[in-house]
Parts: sequence; structure tokens; C-alpha cells
Amino acid sequence: GENVEQHPSTLSVQEGDSAVIKCTYSDSASNYFPWYKQELGKRPQLIIDIRSNVGEKKDQRIAVTLNKTAKHFSLHITETQPEDSAVYFCAASMRVEGGTSYGKLTFGQGTILTVHP
Amino acid sequence: DAGITQSPRHKVTETGTPVTLRCHQTENHRYMYWYRQDPGHGLRLIHYSYGVKDTDKGEVSDGYSVSRSKTEDFLLTLESATSSQTSVYFCAIKDRTSGTNEQFFGPGTRLTVL
Repeated sequence: GENVEQHPSTLSVQEGDSAVIKCTYSDSASNYFPWYKQELGKRPQLIIDIRSNVGEKKDQRIAVTLNKTAKHFSLHITETQPEDSAVYFCAASMRVEGGTSYGKLTFGQGTILTVHP
Repeated sequence: DAGITQSPRHKVTETGTPVTLRCHQTENHRYMYWYRQDPGHGLRLIHYSYGVKDTDKGEVSDGYSVSRSKTEDFLLTLESATSSQTSVYFCAIKDRTSGTNEQFFGPGTRLTVL
């Protein structure tokens, strides 16, 4: 099955700095890569996603890049703010035989991001 | 919140007892999922459903069963709870209006097995 590795497990930055979280995946058939943010005690919430036919996607201070050849994708947060402090998860969606993925996601282990004022 | 609720939100039980967690959605989504979240492991898929009475196993299904007798409810049962099943359980739905595999999560259930 699919395997997703996420690094680093913890990341500490100063307010205003950039933060980068990286993920690698194992199955070249994966074609959908979302990123979730989870604040303490809350549910994971989708913040950005990318499909395999796109190399980069931006949404204000957040961007995601995808390198299909190397099978890795990254989350970039610029001008970090204290409210960006949370756990971030990457995920990959794999197609099973016949083209029906059932929408199953395989998640990375998570990155605890701390933004210091 | 995509109309997803989970019950109970918190539960403490003893080893060996059966436990059933409920996920309820109000927007007629076809696909539903149960995950467990543990430190250092991210979210791991337990079981999923792609329609009424259509379910299948995820990567950590041992010790769990599911049922989906109607579209809006997806039940997760721990037949005989063990301490290793202490976790936070999240239900999720795949947005039927989305062309991607975008999932939305319920608020979670914190289960403690003593």
C-alpha cells in the first residue's frame, strides 16, 4: 500500500519567518495530495490541496509544490504568524485497480509547528 | 463542519467491554471513513464505506468492525476493547460535490480504555 513520510516532526520558527514541511510518498499512482491543519483539541481541517497534474498551487501565504518524478511534495508557509501554530498533516490518495480509489487517504505522521512571537 | 457529528464525544470504558461509536452526517455523502489518531502516527484508516452496507477494511482494522445500514450513519464497534485502542477517533466524509478526494472530519471521540 501507499506510504507517506513527513519531515520534520517538529518545527520552530520566529514570527515572520517561512516554514517548510516536506512529504514523500511511495506509490506513483497517487494523484491527490491534501494538507490538513489541526489545532489543539480540534478536528483536522483542509488548508490546501494539489492534484498530480499541477506542479504548484498558492493560496495567500500558503503554497504547495509537487515533484512527481521524485515523489515528494511540500507545504510552504510565508510570513508566519502565531496563529499558524498547529499540527500539520500531509496525505496522499492512491488509486486502486480499476480506477476506483474510494477516496482513501494515507497520512504522514504530522509536524508540530510552533511560531514564536 | 459538513454536517458531521460524532457521539459520544468522550468515553471511558474498561478492558473487555464492547464499545460503539457513531458518526452521523446530514448531507447524503456516499463515502465515510473511520480513522484513529495517535501521537507519532498521524491519522490511520480503520474502515471505510462507499455506500449502504458497502464497507471495507483500512490499514488498522483488527479489533474493529463497522456497519452502515443507512446513508447518514456509520458505526464503529470495538468488540472487546483493549488498552491499545485508547485513542482519538475521527469520522470523515468525502465531499460528494468535489471532484477530488477531499475529506471533511467530524469533531472526534476521545476513547479511554482502562
